[in-house]
Amino acid sequence: KQEVTQIPAALSVPEGENLVLNCSFTDSAIYNLQWFRQDPGKGLTSLLLIQSSQREQTSGRLNASLDKSSGRSTLYIAASQPGDSATYLCAVCMYSGGGADGLTFGKGTHLIIQP
Amino acid sequence: KAGVTQTPRYLIKTRGQQVTLSCSPISGHRSVSWYQQTPGQGLQFLFEYFSETQRNKGNFPGRFSGRQFSNSRSEMNVSTLELGDSALYLCASSPGLAGARDYEQYFGPGTRLTVT
Repeated sequence: KQEVTQIPAALSVPEGENLVLNCSFTDSAIYNLQWFRQDPGKGLTSLLLIQSSQREQTSGRLNASLDKSSGRSTLYIAASQPGDSATYLCAVCMYSGGGADGLTFGKGTHLIIQP
Repeated sequence: KAGVTQTPRYLIKTRGQQVTLSCSPISGHRSVSWYQQTPGQGLQFLFEYFSETQRNKGNFPGRFSGRQFSNSRSEMNVSTLELGDSALYLCASSPGLAGARDYEQYFGPGTRLTVT
């Protein structure tokens, strides 16, 4: 059974700092990995998707890396801003014969960027 | 394109009642998945529908069921509500076809269900 762990559970940093969020998973045979952000009481916003054959993806100030063999992914946020404050969730997708399985999520990293 | 929409946004029900939640996917998406989010368990996968057929299912009791219509809209039903069913229910859509990017999931705003 796939298990996803995110470290740290919470993080508070001053504005402008670069930071790294970590995600680990137990079964390396993933189909893809997605990073999401969730604002309080809201749904999930997709940030980046990394396919199993890729090593990294970039979007603006965000960069996500994937190391399947070690079961790890990192989300790098450059030049953090107060608007980046949210909960960041990592989710992995496995593949079975009938198609992709549902996403398995970590518990998230609650990020606060201090102005 | 319009995003994923869910109705209603908030719902209060009494223990023992049943409830139906609705989800309209992004136009052209054929896969709809449902998730339950609680403070204790986090986000958990309920089931996925593709072309009106349940394709995958998580570990939830049979009180949780769903269906998908020919226009890809989906409904989720919970019968005999329990206090523990209080949660944010999220719907996600994707194209759902072969190819890793085709399983990229886009989430709706959720339905907040409170069971009293």
